[in-house]
Amino acid sequence: QQQVKQSPQSLIVQKGGISIINCAYENTAFDYFPWYQQFPGKGPALLIAIRPDVSEKKEGRFTISFNKSAKQFSLHIMDSQPGDSATYFCAASMVRGSARQLTFGSGTQLTVLP
Amino acid sequence: DSGVTQTPKHLITATGQRVTLRCSPRSGDLSVYWYQQSLDQGLQFLIQYYNGEERAKGNILERFSAQQFPDLHSELNLSSLELGDSALYFCASSPPASGTRENIQYFGAGTRLSVL
Repeated sequence: QQQVKQSPQSLIVQKGGISIINCAYENTAFDYFPWYQQFPGKGPALLIAIRPDVSEKKEGRFTISFNKSAKQFSLHIMDSQPGDSATYFCAASMVRGSARQLTFGSGTQLTVLP
Repeated sequence: DSGVTQTPKHLITATGQRVTLRCSPRSGDLSVYWYQQSLDQGLQFLIQYYNGEERAKGNILERFSAQQFPDLHSELNLSSLELGDSALYFCASSPPASGTRENIQYFGAGTRLSVL
């Protein structure tokens, strides 16, 4: 059962444009929402994360917007650059039993054209 | 470089065979996680170990098993391989405070398994 839905599957943006990736979750037990960035041939790496008691978090050109009532969150990449071309995964974290687990979205392949 | 080492990088084998994937976590990390990444299903959590003990299980098949050794490295064993097992397998590790929500998982570069 997919608990974190991510869209779009792929995204093409011109250099300097804004990239927006959306995610939605169902389980209100999730209490932390990280985004991971994955380049070809590499493992995912944490990009930015947000707690559900915050509506927005910004780090440089990357911003997470969080809507707790709608159970949705999104990643905005401002002034997108060709070097941002990668696959982006949203994730949701919760404690299950004695362990904290991450549930990932299906990923968005971002291509930024020069 | 995340500090998590996975070997081998690539593995080609035949159906019905058994393989072992190896993961060395970052220095000081006690938790190890295994994930399977396939084209159509994204990153699927398989299993987690903490300081040598199994902590959580995800969508891991009975043909798959894992363990974490006293030196904290971990191995994922895949047996009776099927074509559908072809995927990228990632290992991640996290620091000892693995219960805190901000606890980060650091991923290795993965092992690409091709079952022919």
